[in-house]
Amino acid sequence: GAVVSQHPSRVICKSGTSVKIECRSLDFQATTMFWYRQFPKQSLMLMATSNEGSKATYEQGVEKDKFLINHASLTLSTLTVTSAHPEDSSFYICSAQDRLNEKLFFGSGTQLSVL
Amino acid sequence: QQQVKQSPQSLIVQKGGISIINCAYENTAFDYFPWYQQFPGKGPALLIAIRPDVSEKKEGRFTISFNKSAKQFSLHIMDSQPGDSATYFCAVHSGGYQKVTFGTGTKLQVIP
Repeated sequence: GAVVSQHPSRVICKSGTSVKIECRSLDFQATTMFWYRQFPKQSLMLMATSNEGSKATYEQGVEKDKFLINHASLTLSTLTVTSAHPEDSSFYICSAQDRLNEKLFFGSGTQLSVL
Repeated sequence: QQQVKQSPQSLIVQKGGISIINCAYENTAFDYFPWYQQFPGKGPALLIAIRPDVSEKKEGRFTISFNKSAKQFSLHIMDSQPGDSATYFCAVHSGGYQKVTFGTGTKLQVIP
């Protein structure tokens, strides 16, 4: 089946640093990728939708200058958490939509811990 | 505005039993209704999905029942196994999958 690779799986950083998370579709092209945030024992909350070659669309309440999204190719989207603070600690998950069959596939997630 | 209500929040089932999880939605514009399975520390994985033109879909031990008039759909796991222990999310899609809204999740524990 289709695979979405997300890296890193876990990152620990100091407050004030920036962290980049990569999301790659390995065997299909993804015109649209999504970024979610998930707190413990809670559901996935959509943060933003990115379309290849255009600016990301952010959900209400998500700071676009805080969470920079780049979708430079049909197989790669990145999320950069800028000047991370402890309250940004969370599980971040990407998903990619296969442009041929429109199915959605998820990455394995990134656990971000900001000290 | 909560568009998808999922119940129960947690569920304990004995091995071999039937696990049933329910979801209710509000917006009739939704046109794709999947269930996702998530293990701890992992991203969700598509389990089974249904479109509103059918009332039931079965894949192995997993069945979705869909009631369009009641705006409800449910997941049935037959012959539940300990390996099914995970968190299950229903979701609703609209507009060509451009936006997915997830339910609140159900933590299923299947005990031997």
